[in-house]
Amino acid sequence: NAGVTQTPKFQVLKTGQSMTLQCAQDMNHNSMYWYRQDPGMGLRLIYYSASEGTTDKGEVPNGYNVSRLNKREFSLRLESAAPSQTSVYFCASSEAVGGYGYTFGSGTRLTVV
Amino acid sequence: AQSVTQPDIHITVSEGASLELRCNYSYGATPYLFWYVQSPGQGLQLLLKYFSGDTLVQGIKGFEAEFKRSQSSFNLRKPSVHWSDAAEYFCAVVRGDTGRRALTFGSGTRLQVQP
Repeated sequence: NAGVTQTPKFQVLKTGQSMTLQCAQDMNHNSMYWYRQDPGMGLRLIYYSASEGTTDKGEVPNGYNVSRLNKREFSLRLESAAPSQTSVYFCASSEAVGGYGYTFGSGTRLTVV
Repeated sequence: AQSVTQPDIHITVSEGASLELRCNYSYGATPYLFWYVQSPGQGLQLLLKYFSGDTLVQGIKGFEAEFKRSQSSFNLRKPSVHWSDAAEYFCAVVRGDTGRRALTFGSGTRLQVQP
């Protein structure tokens, strides 16, 4: 089925470990996003990529890096994981930035111990 | 900066009753407004969106929302709730002009449906 695919679905890390969350979309969308979801806080934007070759910081970028590998793929890297990064991470894509609806992946549940 | 407030954290309604979920935004110019629904363990699904024009917009699953500029609100409504509507609902806004053009989400309203 067409959509946004995130891997892995679950991950447990120890404090200080690094990892990369993968995201790929097959809808030929230009824009991609990474959000984190924490209880009572909704979704907060970490980084986004308006188009291939560009990335911009969102509301909570500290501790994260991103790479827009090509038009399909947008990865999120935690260089040195901290317990505060325990969260559910969602990748999304849209035709362009602005007033277009997003298609979301099913999320990655990350626990940092 | 754009922001979204959903004042109700948790709402419980009886099956068949009407529903209204509140959303207020803080942004000067005309925003683009959205409602999303999230079932447990799932990603978010778009219910409806407002860009301009008719202030009453229809969405999927029998939902509708009304944009009221004077009240900076975009409330979601459904005339008769079904048990399958139990989920978390998020209102979101994005600027229609320059600046950061990614969605800003509210904190969500969890809907419980009683039989």
